Amino acid sequence: SQQGEEDPQALSIQEGENATMNCSYKTSINNLQWYRQNSGRGLVHLILIRSNEREKHSGRLRVTLDTSKKSSSLLITASRAADTASYFCATSGGSNYKLTFGKGTLLTVNP
Amino acid sequence: NAGVTQTPKFQVLKTGQSMTLQCAQDMNHEYMSWYRQDPGMGLRLIHYSVGAGITDQGEVPNGYNVSRSTTEDFPLRLLSAAPSQTSVYFCATSDNPAYGYTFGSGTRLTVV
Repeated sequence: SQQGEEDPQALSIQEGENATMNCSYKTSINNLQWYRQNSGRGLVHLILIRSNEREKHSGRLRVTLDTSKKSSSLLITASRAADTASYFCATSGGSNYKLTFGKGTLLTVNP
Repeated sequence: NAGVTQTPKFQVLKTGQSMTLQCAQDMNHEYMSWYRQDPGMGLRLIHYSVGAGITDQGEVPNGYNVSRSTTEDFPLRLLSAAPSQTSVYFCATSDNPAYGYTFGSGTRLTVV
């Protein structure tokens, strides 16, 4: 069963614009993680936010978490063509050993 | 330092054949997992291990076996391949799952 659901499924923007992706989940979590996957490649861990945190920054990435709404958002500022990839949220709850992934958002950044 | 190495990268099997997908890591990570990725489905956990000698089932374990005899290796065995097992398989490792996982580059498996 999918825990996280990303929205939108696909997003196309111009270089330099900001990109926002959202993730909703169903049950309580310990943390929520965002991963990037370039076409035909493995997943790369971007950022993790714990359930007691509301906002976190890493370079051009900003993640927010609203546990009351069971939702998170990933903001990529000043996007670049190299940011073109699929982005997945993954939740960890109960046992930290298991990650439950959403279906992903395909981001296309046009030069 | 190779990180997480998955072999083979591509494989075509006939229905009913068996095979082993290999995953090796040189980071001394205790936690290792296998996921499958299907179009429009995200990643689903097949089996995972919290250390040598310890394995457990994930969300979709049927048709797959695992063992963990060493810290470095976590092979995934398909006992009798079925077309429904056509997928991309990813191995992921971590020294502390509370901080995220490192993924291999994947094995693309086609069962005909």
